[in-house]
Amino acid sequence: EAQVTQNPRYLITVTGKKLTVTCSQNMNHEYMSWYRQDPGLGLRQIYYSMNVEVTDKGDVPEGYKVSRKEKRNFPLILESPSPNQTSLYFCASSLYPGRFVTGELFFGEGSRLTVL
Amino acid sequence: AQTVTQSQPEMSVQEAETVTLSCTYDTSENNYYLFWYKQPPSRQMILVIRQEAYKQQNATENRFSVNFQKAAKSFSLKISDSQLGDTAMYFCAFTPLGGNEKLTFGTGTRLTIIP
Repeated sequence: EAQVTQNPRYLITVTGKKLTVTCSQNMNHEYMSWYRQDPGLGLRQIYYSMNVEVTDKGDVPEGYKVSRKEKRNFPLILESPSPNQTSLYFCASSLYPGRFVTGELFFGEGSRLTVL
Repeated sequence: AQTVTQSQPEMSVQEAETVTLSCTYDTSENNYYLFWYKQPPSRQMILVIRQEAYKQQNATENRFSVNFQKAAKSFSLKISDSQLGDTAMYFCAFTPLGGNEKLTFGTGTRLTIIP
């Protein structure tokens, strides 16, 4: 089954404790991206990757890091989480960057992160 | 920069009725895609319908259709014969053709279908 898998789905942590949210897709997609969803703000892009070893900042990259060492994986790293990073996070992927052949981003199921 | 505006934070409608969710956007691009995504309580983001800006014909998907007015930069979603399973948050989104595939989302409309 084609899917984007995120882990963990839920996490409560404390300020300053490094954490990683993993994202993996099994569709051989070149493009992957992270979004955060906050009430009244919709979804905003954090980082994206057009291919292996190619990453770039989205609209709200502060406090986050990413890496793309393999095509299928795109982990989101919070080196020193703060309460303002409490949010719902989505990983997404699509087939061809810049060409948007399918016209669709495939989303993971979301990761609810709470930073105390 | 592109912006997407959904002016209806919440809506409710009786089951089997028709409801229209509004969306406006602002862009200087000429070629782009517009989308409606549905987010049920399960939180999954589900693509409902998409519209290519170069197509004049409005997109339809079963009970879902759009009214795309390019000059007015308006992209409303009509849900006909609404069902309880349509209860969800609905997001309008925009992406320019040939960009980095970033979706710019509106703030969402929470739709409740009343039995």
